[in-house]
Amino acid sequence: KAGVTQTPRYLIKTRGQQVTLSCSPISGHRSVSWYQQTPGQGLQFLFEYFSETQRNKGNFPGRFSGRQFSNSRSEMNVSTLELGDSALYLCASSFTGGTGLSNTEAFFGQGTRLTVV
Amino acid sequence: TQLLEQSPQFLSIQEGENLTVYCNSSSVFSSLQWYRQEPGEGPVLLVTVVTGGEVKKLKRLTFQFGDARKDSSLHITAAQPGDTGLYLCAGGFPGGSYIPTFGRGTSLIVHP
Repeated sequence: KAGVTQTPRYLIKTRGQQVTLSCSPISGHRSVSWYQQTPGQGLQFLFEYFSETQRNKGNFPGRFSGRQFSNSRSEMNVSTLELGDSALYLCASSFTGGTGLSNTEAFFGQGTRLTVV
Repeated sequence: TQLLEQSPQFLSIQEGENLTVYCNSSSVFSSLQWYRQEPGEGPVLLVTVVTGGEVKKLKRLTFQFGDARKDSSLHITAAQPGDTGLYLCAGGFPGGSYIPTFGRGTSLIVHP
């Protein structure tokens, strides 16, 4: 079955602009999580959506937002971009259909490399 | 906050050597995953362990879950250049959310 698809793969924006990233999860997966990855901080959790509702949120400013559609596809938006937002943004999908080991198995997309200049 | 500590942070070895990387927590995991990430790509799930003392093998990779489910190790036998990448462990904790907690990773370079 198809994996997690993220678009676009690469993006260059200037400071102050906004950006929208897209993620299509594995068919049947209802949970989509977003992560920011930088060399200095590693993988940092942004937020998780499940059934169109934000279920968990990391410690990021309000400039970072997201949403999930009825088909489980998700978008992430960053407004008023700063140089420090340059990173690899990863989306992960999970089944999270209940208890059991499938709870925390996450399947990642290839990521979107965002560069802010 | 539940933390995962991975060691070593960096590892540079020659082809054919063996190596072990570690993932430790002060809390008990409900399950633990190992991922490998290549530069510019997303992490790829290698294995999930759930039972204390469990050992799983994936070709030259051996994963072990500690008896107390607070630590895990990944051993690679006869490393190859294709093993180069960032190895991440991620764990779920009892009573926690469905979001896995990730360690900072071990960056492995295998020289031919």
